[in-house]
Amino acid sequence: EVQLQQSGPEVGRPGSSVKISCKASGYTFTDYVMNWVKQSPGQGLEWIGWIDPEYGSTDYAEKFKKKATLTADTSSNTAYIQLSSLTSEDTATYFCARSGGGSSFDYWGQGVMVTVSS
Amino acid sequence: DIQMTQSPASLSASPEEIVTITCQASQDIGNWLAWYQQKPGKSPQLLIYSATSLADGIPSRFSGSRSGTQYSLKISRLQVEDTGIYYCLQRYSNPLTFGSGTKLEIK
Repeated sequence: EVQLQQSGPEVGRPGSSVKISCKASGYTFTDYVMNWVKQSPGQGLEWIGWIDPEYGSTDYAEKFKKKATLTADTSSNTAYIQLSSLTSEDTATYFCARSGGGSSFDYWGQGVMVTVSS
Repeated sequence: DIQMTQSPASLSASPEEIVTITCQASQDIGNWLAWYQQKPGKSPQLLIYSATSLADGIPSRFSGSRSGTQYSLKISRLQVEDTGIYYCLQRYSNPLTFGSGTKLEIK
C-alpha cells in the first residue's frame, strides 16, 4: 500500500526556518517525483515545486524559489521541504504528493500545519 | 504561467442531480488535466487524470471531458458524500497551476 507519512505540526518564529518530512512507502521512491503543495487557511492549493529523488533535480514555482528548498534522502525514502525566513504568509498546511509518468498526484501525505508565531 | 479559470465558485444541488464543474485553460494543455476532491481537514483525492481517465476506486458517477481548452468534471447521481471542494490541476508545464476551487454542497 502506497503511503506518504508527513511529520507533525510545526511552530516557527518569524525569521526562522522549519523542515518538514514526507516518508514514502509501498512503492519505489525513485520511480516518482515528489511534489509539494501549499494551502493557506481557507484558501486553495498552490504548487511549490517538485524533486526527482533519483537525480536530486528540482523545479520550483517562481514565488517559492527563495522560500523553499526541496531535498530527498533515498536511503530512507524521505522527501523534505525547508521553509526559510518565515513570515505570517507562510502559515499554511503543506502537502507532499507523488507524480510521475501518467500518475498525477495520485497519493498525498496527510499535510503538515506550519504556524508562524512569535 | 498557465491560468486555470474554474467555475462556478460554489454550487448547491440535491441528491441524484447532475452537476458540472469547468476549468478553462489559458492555453493548450492537451490532456494534462486532473481533478481532485478535498474534504475539510483532509488531503485532496485524485478523481480524474489525463482529462478523462477515472482514478482507481472512484465511482463511475464521476467523469471528465475536454473540449479544446475547456475541461469539465461531471458528477451524476449526486450523493451526500460528494460534498467538498473540487480543484482542477494542469500538469502541462511548470509552474503547475490549480483552479481556484468549486465548493459543492448537497442540499
